[in-house]
Amino acid sequence: ETGVTQSPTHLIKTRGQQVTLRCSSQSGHNTVSWYQQALGQGPQFIFQYYREEENGRGNFPPRFSGLQFPNYSSELNVNALELDDSALYLCASSWPGQGAGGYTFGSGTRLTVV
Amino acid sequence: GESVGLHLPTLSVQEGDNSIINCAYSNSASDYFIWYKQESGKGPQFIIDIRSNMDKRQGQRVTVLLNKTVKHLSLQIAATQPGDSAVYFCAEISGNQFYFGTGTSLTVIP
Repeated sequence: ETGVTQSPTHLIKTRGQQVTLRCSSQSGHNTVSWYQQALGQGPQFIFQYYREEENGRGNFPPRFSGLQFPNYSSELNVNALELDDSALYLCASSWPGQGAGGYTFGSGTRLTVV
Repeated sequence: GESVGLHLPTLSVQEGDNSIINCAYSNSASDYFIWYKQESGKGPQFIIDIRSNMDKRQGQRVTVLLNKTVKHLSLQIAATQPGDSAVYFCAEISGNQFYFGTGTSLTVIP
């Protein structure tokens, strides 16, 4: 059984650019959630995808968008990057009804916006 | 929106002692709470959870206590080991969203 893998692990972008982060869900999981974790803070919910549809969104602007593919992998896209977007972006996969114990996080992508 | 906060940002304990990490929450409607451990360079790792109809739950070396009257959650780690050094987060679930607190950094002194 594979875990959640995210790519790339680190990324540096310039303000105003666009970025795409990728997440491969754990085998058997059909739900993917994305979180933003600023330095010294807890993760903040961005959105969740279930069976290729957005299934809930946190307090993030529309320039944060996502996709989920038929194999349940997912992308997070951020347009018009701002300095405050610098953070660790975490992906978590799950299967509905599993409970928190089945909610598996990846190690994240560290994004730095300069 | 929900607010989940921790009382202490840092905690240092001697190896072998017990650790207690506290958390306050504000949404009395939350029915599910979780503790996560996050080591440097890694994503959060599930430790233990508790439903709102319980006040105590035990795992391996860990115990979670829930006091709904004062909206307080605590994580107790018995016989703390160097490998327990990490940041610990409490989180509450509302709908399909997890609301995390700021975190407590636990340092175990050998």
